[in-house]
Amino acid sequence: AQSVTQPDIHITVSEGASLELRCNYSYGATPYLFWYVQSPGQGLQLLLKYFSGDTLVQGIKGFEAEFKRSQSSFNLRKPSVHWSDAAEYFCAVGAGYNQGGKLIFGQGTELSVKP
Amino acid sequence: ETGVTQSPTHLIKTRGQQVTLRCSSQSGHNTVSWYQQALGQGPQFIFQYYREEENGRGNFPPRFSGLQFPNYSSELNVNALELDDSALYLCASSRGNSGVTGELFFGEGSRLTVL
Repeated sequence: AQSVTQPDIHITVSEGASLELRCNYSYGATPYLFWYVQSPGQGLQLLLKYFSGDTLVQGIKGFEAEFKRSQSSFNLRKPSVHWSDAAEYFCAVGAGYNQGGKLIFGQGTELSVKP
Repeated sequence: ETGVTQSPTHLIKTRGQQVTLRCSSQSGHNTVSWYQQALGQGPQFIFQYYREEENGRGNFPPRFSGLQFPNYSSELNVNALELDDSALYLCASSRGNSGVTGELFFGEGSRLTVL
């Protein structure tokens, strides 16, 4: 069965420092991978997605993620974190062909940003 | 702003009661998915509606049911509420259903508390 693991429940970084959030997935075929961000009291916003092609994908707000099939990973990165990036980040995998809106989410990583 | 609106934003019910949550999808979207997000967890897929029919269901009991209307808005109904049903319920709309998992646009959710 498909699954997503985000090993870090909570991460704190200083403003201006680089960020990497880890995501590992379990999936039998080429996965469809997503990163979403959730600010307090808000719904989820898509940061970026990977379907195929270039394994380094660029997203909104300066985020990028790299798909590594050999490591079953899809880590999210940002070179310089801003205080407004403090939020909950979710990695998700699409459930497969003809599964439409079914995404399988990880548990999330809460990001805190120190001034 | 995703254009997906949910109501009510907050509600409190007691065990055994029934609840109906509503969702208006983004203009041009004909697919609605519902997710349950318990505190500290990632969202879990409940079910999806495409062109007024249920099209995919997660591991939720039959007391979770839904509807989609001709204007593509949707309702989530939960009967015989249990304490564990306390969660944020998220609605997501998307364009189309078949094939590759598409981008989901999430509403801000309905926070249900069951006492």
